[in-house]
Amino acid sequence: GAVVSQHPSRVICKSGTSVKIECRSLDFQATTMFWYRQFPKQSLMLMATSNEGSKATYEQGVEKDKFLINHASLTLSTLTVTSAHPEDSSFYICSAGRGGTYEQYFGPGTRLTVT
Amino acid sequence: AQTVTQSQPEMSVQEAETVTLSCTYDTSESDYYLFWYKQPPSRQMILVIRQEAYKQQNATENRFSVNFQKAAKSFSLKISDSQLGDAAMYFCAYRSWNQGGSEKLVFGKGTKLTVNP
Repeated sequence: GAVVSQHPSRVICKSGTSVKIECRSLDFQATTMFWYRQFPKQSLMLMATSNEGSKATYEQGVEKDKFLINHASLTLSTLTVTSAHPEDSSFYICSAGRGGTYEQYFGPGTRLTVT
Repeated sequence: AQTVTQSQPEMSVQEAETVTLSCTYDTSESDYYLFWYKQPPSRQMILVIRQEAYKQQNATENRFSVNFQKAAKSFSLKISDSQLGDAAMYFCAYRSWNQGGSEKLVFGKGTKLTVNP
């Protein structure tokens, strides 16, 4: 149990366009979802935390207008990178927290390349 | 703010032998959770083991065990009988809280483990 999926797994977009990444908890209800960014050979950096039905909490230094997060249901959170630029190219990973446990269950990640 | 330090960027071990990965952290909290995650080349993060700070007993999961030294703020991971499939990046993580009161994981920079046949 506790499977989290992400879609797409890879995406290439042109500079200036927007791209949406979906994160779904497949077999449990996720009260909280997290979005991370991972640069090559580096650690995961938390971008924001989203709770179902409320606004996301962004980490310091993360532009909320650029990285739009929506957590519309207990099984789906989306990250939209608006007006993407080449420096936004990275590996984006989501995770989901299940009530009653202290673990986060991670999705397989999405590689974004902005050309 | 909590910080997590992994001082070994890379480690290697012979198949079937034992290796220990180091992790230290800084916190003023008395109750918290610590985790070790594995990230293989597929990039999928996999929970290896977790430790609750209030528990004195070290956590174990099959071939994986931790040496939790609360006073020293040390949380090392021991992998016994290493297997080729253990080759991965290993991240130590601390469960913290952000300003909004939501939980967050603070990760170390990772240790790349190579298993030699």
